[in-house]
Amino acid sequence: DADVTQTPRNRITKTGKRIMLECSQTKGHDRMYWYRQDPGLGLRLIYYSFDVKDINKGEISDGYSVSRQAQAKFSLSLESAIPNQTALYFCATSGMGPDTQYFGPGTRLTVL
Amino acid sequence: RKEVEQDPGPFNVPEGATVAFNCTYSNSASQSFFWYRQDCRKEPKLLMSVYSSGNEDGRFTAQLNRASQYISLLIRDSKLSDSATYLCVVNPFLHSGYALNFGKGTSLLVTP
Repeated sequence: DADVTQTPRNRITKTGKRIMLECSQTKGHDRMYWYRQDPGLGLRLIYYSFDVKDINKGEISDGYSVSRQAQAKFSLSLESAIPNQTALYFCATSGMGPDTQYFGPGTRLTVL
Repeated sequence: RKEVEQDPGPFNVPEGATVAFNCTYSNSASQSFFWYRQDCRKEPKLLMSVYSSGNEDGRFTAQLNRASQYISLLIRDSKLSDSATYLCVVNPFLHSGYALNFGKGTSLLVTP
């Protein structure tokens, strides 16, 4: 079984709709991250969380919110989706220290 | 200026060729370095960490030059299965906790 899972894997929605993307991990890591990837722009950090009570904005947090429901779960919400939020979204986790990150399989979101 | 810069390519090479990618980073205080591989529409996966002394994993060799702030990846005897995008990743550590900085990636296509 995958260590980092994301649901849904694909989603098409309309402008103005509220969308939640979910991430779960079984790696036992405290740190979790949400990124989006756009062609030509690479991976950009949206939010990150170092533990359940610690949430931090990343490079591009406007239009997004997050919830860390438990050590293993980190959700990303788009309160009112807009077309330029169409992208591939990745959740990632890492352990303590300057460690590398482990990615989920991604959610492909299309906002019409 | 982007913190991590890579030549986007694409690099088109025949099977069996040797190919090298370079990456530069702007934060001289950066602490750890990685190469990730990303297949089309898939999640990034750690290929190898990069150490100051240089390190090798089979056909792959990574080098770090702290004085010049660049990282390299050498792939020998290229295989068709090496076709992917290679992401240079830097952990700035001191300035943004443990949020990694990703390059936009270098695309490699190995042809028969």
